[in-house]
Amino acid sequence: DAGVTQSPTHLIKTRGQQVTLRCSPKSGHDTVSWYQQALGQGPQFIFQYYEEEERQRGNFPDRFSGHQFPNYSSELNVNALLLGDSALYLCASSLGDLNSIGELFFGEGSRLTVL
Amino acid sequence: GNSVTQMEGPVTLSEEAFLTINCTYTATGYPSLFWYVQYPGEGLQLLLKATKADDKGSNKGFEATYRKETTSFHLEKGSVQVSDSAVYFCALTPRGGRRALTFGSGTRLQVQP
Repeated sequence: DAGVTQSPTHLIKTRGQQVTLRCSPKSGHDTVSWYQQALGQGPQFIFQYYEEEERQRGNFPDRFSGHQFPNYSSELNVNALLLGDSALYLCASSLGDLNSIGELFFGEGSRLTVL
Repeated sequence: GNSVTQMEGPVTLSEEAFLTINCTYTATGYPSLFWYVQYPGEGLQLLLKATKADDKGSNKGFEATYRKETTSFHLEKGSVQVSDSAVYFCALTPRGGRRALTFGSGTRLQVQP
């Protein structure tokens, strides 16, 4: 049973560029959340997708957008990259029922470096 | 808003020593509380959880008790091993719905043989 898979694992962009990160959730999971983890910090919630809709959003600007596909996979897009966007981007999947609240399964992340 | 405060690391212990990593939280209502662990080169993994006051979560020899009166959820282990070396994150989510996790900043544990 494959866990959460993310791609690419590493990428380097320059300021002003755009990036797309991809995530496939754990088999059977229908909810995908994205987190940003700066070096030496805890993950910060970006947004969550369920039934192809953004259900909740953290304190991130509109430059951060996402999408969920019918097969539950998801993309995170970041436009007009800033140096401060350099971080590890984590995808987490879960079941959208109340019994599993907070039990997230995380991928290993996509390491974004903005130069 | 919700927040989680963890003791700063790194915490360096010898094998078989007793471990405590402090975690306190601020939240409205009664959140669910979690400890996640990040081993080197791996993704975050749920270690244990507690969903109501006085609940004790436990897993792999680790324990944490949900203390509403002190708004704390300290992680403990009686005898650490080298394989426990990792970064530990305390986290909370508000009760009800598909709520996002709020994480602490993490505590790095280094266990020496």
